[in-house]
Amino acid sequence: AQSVTQLGSHVSVSEGALVLLRCNYSSSVPPYLFWYVQYPNQGLQLLLKYTTGATLVKGINGFEAEFKKSETSFHLTKPSAHMSDAAEYFCAVYKDSSYKLIFGSGTRLLVRP
Amino acid sequence: AAGVIQSPRHLIKEKRETATLKCYPIPRHDTVYWYQQGPGQDPQFLISFYEKMQSDKGSIPDRFSAQQFSDYHSELNMSSLELGDSALYFCASSLGAGENQETQYFGPGTRLLVL
Repeated sequence: AQSVTQLGSHVSVSEGALVLLRCNYSSSVPPYLFWYVQYPNQGLQLLLKYTTGATLVKGINGFEAEFKKSETSFHLTKPSAHMSDAAEYFCAVYKDSSYKLIFGSGTRLLVRP
Repeated sequence: AAGVIQSPRHLIKEKRETATLKCYPIPRHDTVYWYQQGPGQDPQFLISFYEKMQSDKGSIPDRFSAQQFSDYHSELNMSSLELGDSALYFCASSLGAGENQETQYFGPGTRLLVL
């Protein structure tokens, strides 16, 4: 069965520092992987997705993620954190062939001035 | 660009009351999903519809029902509300189903508080 694990419920970085949010997946079929961001009291916004093809995926707001099959990982990175990046980030995978999303437990990103 | 619309955005109900949440998908999207996000929790899949037919069912209580109408909007009906139903309810829409499905786009959510 498909699942995702996000390491670290909270990540704190200084403004301008590298952002690294970790996601590992478990899937019996080639996975479709997603990162969503949730700002306080708002809905989920798609940051980026991996389906097939290029393993380095670029998303909005300067974020990118790399699909590494050998490590079953899909970590999210951004070279330089901005205060506006403070939010909750969810990694997700499609469950089997039903195409419903299975979310990780989320990582809250805090950006220090 | 048009996004997924959910109404109401906030709803306060008493225990044992009923509630109806509405979702209007992005134009041309024919698939709708409902998710429930409890306080401090990740979103959990409830139910989905494709072309007005239920396509999948998750951890949705029997007290809840949903349908998709001819204009593709969807309604989630919740009866005999319990305190534990207090959550953020998201609707998402996509174009197509199965292998041809495209990305799910989420609405802003309806925050339900049961007192």
